[in-house]
Amino acid sequence: DAMVIQNPRYQVTQFGKPVTLSCSQTLNHNVMYWYQQKSSQAPKLLFHYYDKDFNNEADTPDNFQSRRPNTSFCFLDIRSPGLGDAAMYLCATSIGEETQYFGPGTRLLVL
Amino acid sequence: QKEVEQDPGPLSVPEGAIVSLNCTYSNSAFQYFMWYRQYSRKGPELLMYTYSSGNKEDGRFTAQVDKSSKYISLFIRDSQPSDSATYLCAMSERQGGSEKLVFGKGTKLTVNP
Repeated sequence: DAMVIQNPRYQVTQFGKPVTLSCSQTLNHNVMYWYQQKSSQAPKLLFHYYDKDFNNEADTPDNFQSRRPNTSFCFLDIRSPGLGDAAMYLCATSIGEETQYFGPGTRLLVL
Repeated sequence: QKEVEQDPGPLSVPEGAIVSLNCTYSNSAFQYFMWYRQYSRKGPELLMYTYSSGNKEDGRFTAQVDKSSKYISLFIRDSQPSDSATYLCAMSERQGGSEKLVFGKGTKLTVNP
């Protein structure tokens, strides 16, 4: 089945230790998004790629970076995780402006 | 005023009840309206998607949009325990070739057997 896959599902890291979260998709969608969702809050868009074009949200901290080496894969890098970065990170994809489809998320814990 | 307001609940109903979930919004430029269902510790799953004012039905689910009042609703008929989840409304303008979704905070629903 075509889908959005996120690995790992759970990630534990130490304060200040860089961490990378992975998203892959078999939908062949050209747009990929990264959201941060904290407990009982709405998902918050961090950035998205339209094809290879990177679009950063104005309030996304510099601590968060992203890479998209090809259509299928997109990575979220957190350079120096703080306790406040513990959250669910959601990847989504779409065809242009069409509806977004979400992956299962990666839950990040920062110790 | 936040762009999208959604009562977080929690909402608890008996099995078989009709559930009504609502969101209001302030940005009249929103054109597309969606409801996502999110089970605990899972990603959001698209339930319903509407563009125009009016009703859209899919099985036990009906999505309603009233653009004049800036108000959207999701109705669940004959609710089941498996409907227990957080329901997120989302809306967008769709500018520049990609879609920026604005979510409500979600309403946590529990359907009791």
